[in-house]
Amino acid sequence: QKEVEQDPGPLSVPEGAIVSLNCTYSNSAFQYFMWYRQYSRKGPELLMYTYSSGNKEDGRFTAQVDKSSKYISLFIRDSQPSDSATYLCAMELETSGSRLTFGEGTQLTVNP
Amino acid sequence: NAGVMQNPRHLVRRRGQEARLRCSPMKGHSHVYWYRQLPEEGLKFMVYLQKENIIDESGMPKERFSAEFPKEGPSILRIQQVVRGDSAAYFCASSPMGALADTQYFGPGTRLTVL
Repeated sequence: QKEVEQDPGPLSVPEGAIVSLNCTYSNSAFQYFMWYRQYSRKGPELLMYTYSSGNKEDGRFTAQVDKSSKYISLFIRDSQPSDSATYLCAMELETSGSRLTFGEGTQLTVNP
Repeated sequence: NAGVMQNPRHLVRRRGQEARLRCSPMKGHSHVYWYRQLPEEGLKFMVYLQKENIIDESGMPKERFSAEFPKEGPSILRIQQVVRGDSAAYFCASSPMGALADTQYFGPGTRLTVL
């Protein structure tokens, strides 16, 4: 069983739609949660970072963490064609020394 | 302020040859991480280095792979006697402190193709 599960998609939505991306994890020792965006043939870039259960908002993006269910989500409001990319969830143990464990990534296409 | 730099961006090797991948961290960063991304898979941690020290190599294959981050110059990921299964994108990331929850900034990756 993978430590972090993420539906690879692909996910295709019309412009303006609300997008929901999700990851589940099995190790309750994960304490820090991140979402990275990766455009084709590029390196990942950090979008959101959260620690505690609850919601964190940044512009059109909202990250949600539910530690009791071992479930994290990223919501994108008013999606734009420029949001088309692969979204990777990543997690870090409190004792990992900064080693990140990634999900497989969800490929998102926003159609104009 | 230049970001994380990796070279070459594309590398083609024949089976049995050696591959050397280079990573220059962001200015002021002394912590480097290497990840591998196989086709249709997420990024997998390989190794975490500070200057002249390997901190965590728990993700490195036991044979043929090595990494270093010398006092001067870039970090090097070295793959000896490459095989087709080594074909992947290799990403380097750097952070300023290596502390818990320290943001890791990724480079553009080196895409290795083994013929």
